[in-house]
Amino acid sequence: NAGVTQTPKFQVLKTGQSMTLQCAQDMNHEYMSWYRQDPGMGLRLIHYSVGAGITDQGEVPNGYNVSRSTTEDFPLRLLSAAPSQTSVYFCASRPDRIVGTDTQYFGPGTRLTVL
Amino acid sequence: KQEVTQIPAALSVPEGENLVLNCSFTDSAIYNLQWFRQDPGKGLTSLLLIQSSQREQTSGRLNASLDKSSGRSTLYIAASQPGDSATYLCAVGWRGSTLGRLYFGRGTQLTVWP
Repeated sequence: NAGVTQTPKFQVLKTGQSMTLQCAQDMNHEYMSWYRQDPGMGLRLIHYSVGAGITDQGEVPNGYNVSRSTTEDFPLRLLSAAPSQTSVYFCASRPDRIVGTDTQYFGPGTRLTVL
Repeated sequence: KQEVTQIPAALSVPEGENLVLNCSFTDSAIYNLQWFRQDPGKGLTSLLLIQSSQREQTSGRLNASLDKSSGRSTLYIAASQPGDSATYLCAVGWRGSTLGRLYFGRGTQLTVWP
């Protein structure tokens, strides 16, 4: 298994541009999520999904959209990039949609800079 | 408010020392607690997962304990090696919070020098 994969690894945007960060997993996991990591702060949840067709907001959803058309893919869209969205973005997945017992698996991250 | 705190923020030790990294959390109603390792420019690797009903977990030279009543977890690293150098993150899953959300501490940056 490749696990959780993310593309691109690095991206530079200008303010106002839009883009999509890709995330895919090949472990048939129901639950997928997006976090952002900023210096001096812990990771914060942006959006999550408990299965195909089901998404919901996390702690910091503003400026981001998600969709889950398949079990494998969970793209994150930046609608109009702002410098405050400069961050490292991590996608994660875990087997079960129910909270509790299992480990979360993280992708390698996408490092985004918005000028 | 649910918060996770890690102390110390940074730690530098010579090879061979036994280490203790600390994690504290504000509410004992947790599902589980995980310790992750993050290497520079890399993603997170899960080290140990402790369920709320467990007191500790062990993997090789790593041992993690959980004391819900006091809101504390410790990660014990035995006989540290330069390859252990990384940032260690503590993450808590709380009952009643956003489904599946993990609350992360800011991490302890560990350097083990030869």
